[in-house]
Amino acid sequence: DIQLTQSPSFLSASVGDRVTITCRASQGISSYLAWYQQKPGKAPKLLIYAASTLQSGVPSRFSGSGSGTEFTLTISSLQPEDFATYYCQHQGTFGQGTKVEIK
Amino acid sequence: QVQLQESGPGLVKPSQTLSLTCTVSGGSISSGGYYWSWIRQHPGKGLEWIGYIYYSGSTYYNPSLKSRVTISVDTSKNQFSLKLSSVTAADTAVYYCARGWVAAAGSLDYWGQGTLVTVSS
Repeated sequence: DIQLTQSPSFLSASVGDRVTITCRASQGISSYLAWYQQKPGKAPKLLIYAASTLQSGVPSRFSGSGSGTEFTLTISSLQPEDFATYYCQHQGTFGQGTKVEIK
Repeated sequence: QVQLQESGPGLVKPSQTLSLTCTVSGGSISSGGYYWSWIRQHPGKGLEWIGYIYYSGSTYYNPSLKSRVTISVDTSKNQFSLKLSSVTAADTAVYYCARGWVAAAGSLDYWGQGTLVTVSS
C-alpha cells in the first residue's frame, strides 16, 4: 500500500508568511495527488487536484507542485482564514495532516 | 450545486452494526464519472478512507476494515449507504460521505457535513 508522509506535522506562521507543506509518497504516484483544507468542526475542502490544478473558487495564493514521490502545497501569503489543517491524498490514502497555527 | 447529507443513528452499542445513509442532491449518482465514498475521522485525528462505490455497484474497501464494511447504492433514491459491523469504541468517529471525481484520480470535490457516531453501551 502507498503511504503518504506530510511534513511538518505542525507549523507556526504569521499572516503574510509564505508557507510550504510537503507530502512524500512511498512510491511513485505520477501527479495523482490532492490537497485539502480542514477547519475545526467542518468537512475537508478540496484545494488542489492532480498535484497542481486549483479547484474552482480556491484563492490563487494556494498552489501545488510535484510529481512522482514528492509534492508541495504552497500558500504564497498566509491569510487569517488559512489557519487550518491541511491533508494530502492519493486514492484511498491520506497524509497525517499539517496543522497551521498563528505565531 | 451538489450536496451530500449523512443520516443515521448517532449512538450505536458495541458489537452492533453502524448504518449510515448519504443522500445526494443537485446531481445524479447514476451519471457516471464519480464514485461515492465514506471517510471517517476519529476525534482529534486524521482522515481515514473507509471505501467507495460506483453507481454500477462495484466497490473498494479499506483493507483494514474490509471484513466489516459494506457499501451499497440505491440509484432510485439517489443515496448510498454504509454498514460497519461488530463495532467497538474504536469506531467512534465523525463519518463523512463524499463524491470522488474519477477524472481527477479520486479527488473528493463534494463532502457532507459529517455525522458523529459514538459507540457506547
